[in-house]
Amino acid sequence: DAKTTQPTSMDCAEGRAANLPCNHSTISGNEYVYWYRQIHSQGPQYIIHGLKNNETNEMASLIITEDRKSSTLILPHATLRDTAVYYCIVNLINNAGNMLTFGGGTRLMVKP
Amino acid sequence: GAVVSQHPSRVICKSGTSVKIECRSLDFQATTMFWYRQFPKKSLMLMATSNEGSKATYEQGVEKDKFLINHASLTLSTLTVTSAHPEDSSFYICSASPAAGVSYEQYFGPGTRLTVT
Repeated sequence: DAKTTQPTSMDCAEGRAANLPCNHSTISGNEYVYWYRQIHSQGPQYIIHGLKNNETNEMASLIITEDRKSSTLILPHATLRDTAVYYCIVNLINNAGNMLTFGGGTRLMVKP
Repeated sequence: GAVVSQHPSRVICKSGTSVKIECRSLDFQATTMFWYRQFPKKSLMLMATSNEGSKATYEQGVEKDKFLINHASLTLSTLTVTSAHPEDSSFYICSASPAAGVSYEQYFGPGTRLTVT
């Protein structure tokens, strides 16, 4: 079980913000929310993770609801190179050696 | 960030032959590596957990005698697809996390595309 649900696909105009939602209503208190993305025919790439506070790095922002049952990944200014499948994953805090369970992800298409 | 490499990047083999795929952590040591398989337009599915110095742990439905995993050092895990058949054609991806310190991120290799004819 992936423990997360995401829309199958989304479109975004180049230069606009891409907001990718994720539902993780069964998340437990010791699980982080992780986001990875996979560009076509490449290995997945880590984007960001968070526990309960909103997080931001050079790639994206992660907004987690107060009840932690859902989150949104925000790409502030999407470019064509952001076209990829985005995976929302929940995993334990001590994730150093934990496997990741991938769900279906959201296929984001950034259009000119 | 840390780098994981895979070799080869793509391979074509005849049905019935065996193929070995290497996964290397280039700038960190990894006691655990993971092997995933991905069919076209599908998500990644975990095949097995590769443990340095011990036997791999296979997911349900993955034949351990068909997909041989060897994690002989802290920087290398190999996956051998034995007696490959066309249905084994897939994209194989490995991942690893540094053994030392705290790491929340898994680093993925670029993948190996296997085509069995």
